[in-house]
Amino acid sequence: KQEVTQIPAALSVPEGENLVLNCSFTDSAIYNLQWFRQDPGKGLTSLLLIQSSQREQTSGRLNASLDKSSGRSTLYIAASQPGDSATYLCAVQPGGSYIPTFGRGTSLIVHP
Amino acid sequence: DGGITQSPKYLFRKEGQNVTLSCEQNLNHDAMYWYRQDPGQGLRLIYYSQIVNDFQKGDIAEGYSVSREKKESFPLTVTSAQKNPTAFYLCASMTRERAGELFFGEGSRLTVL
Repeated sequence: KQEVTQIPAALSVPEGENLVLNCSFTDSAIYNLQWFRQDPGKGLTSLLLIQSSQREQTSGRLNASLDKSSGRSTLYIAASQPGDSATYLCAVQPGGSYIPTFGRGTSLIVHP
Repeated sequence: DGGITQSPKYLFRKEGQNVTLSCEQNLNHDAMYWYRQDPGQGLRLIYYSQIVNDFQKGDIAEGYSVSREKKESFPLTVTSAQKNPTAFYLCASMTRERAGELFFGEGSRLTVL
């Protein structure tokens, strides 16, 4: 059974720092990996999706990488801002199933 | 705009009552999902449907029921058999035609009084 772990569970940084959020998974036979953002009391917003054949995806200040062989993905946030404060979740979709497995998320606070 | 609409956003229920949460999508997605989110628990899958008129139990289906009579609709009923229904409920949809990207609605918060 696929297991997804996100470290750290919580992170507090000053504005302007570059930061890395980690996502690890136990089964490398994945179809894709997706990063989400969730604000309090809201649904999940898709940030980046990396297909199994890709190594990374970029959107603005966000960059997500995927290393299937080691079972790891990282979400890099450049020049963090208070508006980046949210919970970030990763989800891994297996190759033979439509059921994604979610990590528990990293709660990020960026203070001015 | 295409997306997923969940309603109501907030719902209060007395113990012993069934309630139905609505989920509608206009993305033409085949697969739809219901998740429950509790503090410190992460997302837990209740039910999912890959095609109209077919659905499967997830990890915590007890006390819940669903239907999938139309491609765009996947309502969730929280029955009186659900022992601890107070939670945040999220509906999602996906199609493998878009690399399997998963989309979520804004959620429904159910509180049992």
